[in-house]
Parts: sequence; structure tokens; C-alpha cells
Amino acid sequence: EADIYQTPRYLVIGTGKKITLECSQTMGHDKMYWYQQDPGMELHLIHYSYGVNSTEKGDLSSESTVSRIRTEHFPLTLESARPSHTSQYLCASSGASGIAGELFFGEGSRLTVL
Amino acid sequence: DQQVKQNSPSLSVQEGRISILNCDYTNSMFDYFLWYKKYPAEGPTFLISISSIKDKNEDGRFTVFLNKSAKHLSLHIVPSQPGDSAVYFCAACNSGTYKYIFGTGTRLKVLA
Repeated sequence: EADIYQTPRYLVIGTGKKITLECSQTMGHDKMYWYQQDPGMELHLIHYSYGVNSTEKGDLSSESTVSRIRTEHFPLTLESARPSHTSQYLCASSGASGIAGELFFGEGSRLTVL
Repeated sequence: DQQVKQNSPSLSVQEGRISILNCDYTNSMFDYFLWYKKYPAEGPTFLISISSIKDKNEDGRFTVFLNKSAKHLSLHIVPSQPGDSAVYFCAACNSGTYKYIFGTGTRLKVLA
């Protein structure tokens, strides 16, 4: 069973609010990822990190930002939420070195911006 | 440009029969491929993977086939069970960048 946790699971907020989605893993994985998924759509990579103090933008442009100050923690922040940010946000991690390996996912955070 | 494609948005199969889900990719640098199962409002669950040095990997009822020349992979589930009903995503990764790219998913419905 994967040890990767996301909070909150569900969040409903008003436009203009600042929000942070938390993601933590206890597996010591160096690589962490954020994906965004709208209903019926693919998972879009929005941010990833190779390790502490490493952050990269994914293939889908996002107004969110991330930080990686500790290996186990990879929070995602929206400074001013808008209805277009309504989506499911999925955090994942991988401990693979050399050839790629399994990507472990958290349960997801469903964000609704009114 | 979508690098990983699942051209069938949905598939219905009778219980006990074989389910075949397909996935195509365009980037020849991908060297690791994975299949995930996902329920609404939950994170994806890993099913099976395959390295580009192999053409087949089997785990219980799940088998993944890789055809590198056609840039195509498929997931076979046999026998299919009602509990297999979910959305299935294929993903591809390059071991140099460790970026995992997902397809659009195929919704599988197994009929009892």
C-alpha cells in the first residue's frame, strides 16, 4: 500500500481565495508530481520535482506554484483561486532510479471554486 | 500534441470474457509503460507495467503487450469481472526525464 497522503480531499472555496493543497509521502521518494484531471479527461502533468529545492513546470500551463523544501512534502498553492481552477488534483511520487518505475498516487484533492 | 493516446473512450465486455484496452504513443524515447485503474474521486491504482526491453508482462489476470515498432501497447484482462469496471489509463515514461505522460483513458464496463 502506497504511503502518500493528500489533504484536503474536498475543498469548496470562493473566488479570490488563496489555497494550498498538501501532499506528503513517507517512502523517501525523491521524485514527486502534481497532475490535474477534469472529469473524463486525461491526467495533465502540471508540476514535478526531482528532489529537494528542485521544481519544474509540467506540460500543462498552470497558475499554481509548488515548493520542495523537504523530501517528503510537495505542497501546491493557488494565490487567487478562480472557477477555472475547479478540478481534481492528484499528487504522486516515485523512488525509481535508473529505469523508471511505478508511480504511486495519493487519493486526490477535489477543488471547487465558486 | 498528445504523446499518449487511447482512442477508445469506452468499452463494454461480458463477464468472463476478455477485455482488451489499447494505447498508442508517438515518442520513441519512452522506455517504460504502465497501466492504471481509476475510480471517480480517487487516485489511480497501479495495475501492471512493462519495460521497453520486453514485449510481454503478465500478472494474474492482467497481461500487457508492447509492440515497439508500432508504438502500441495493450492491456488484456481475462477473465473480466464486474469489479474491473473503471477507467483505465495507460502512461509512458522516459527514464532520462522521469516524466510520466498519461493517455485520455478508456472506461471499461463489465456486464454481469
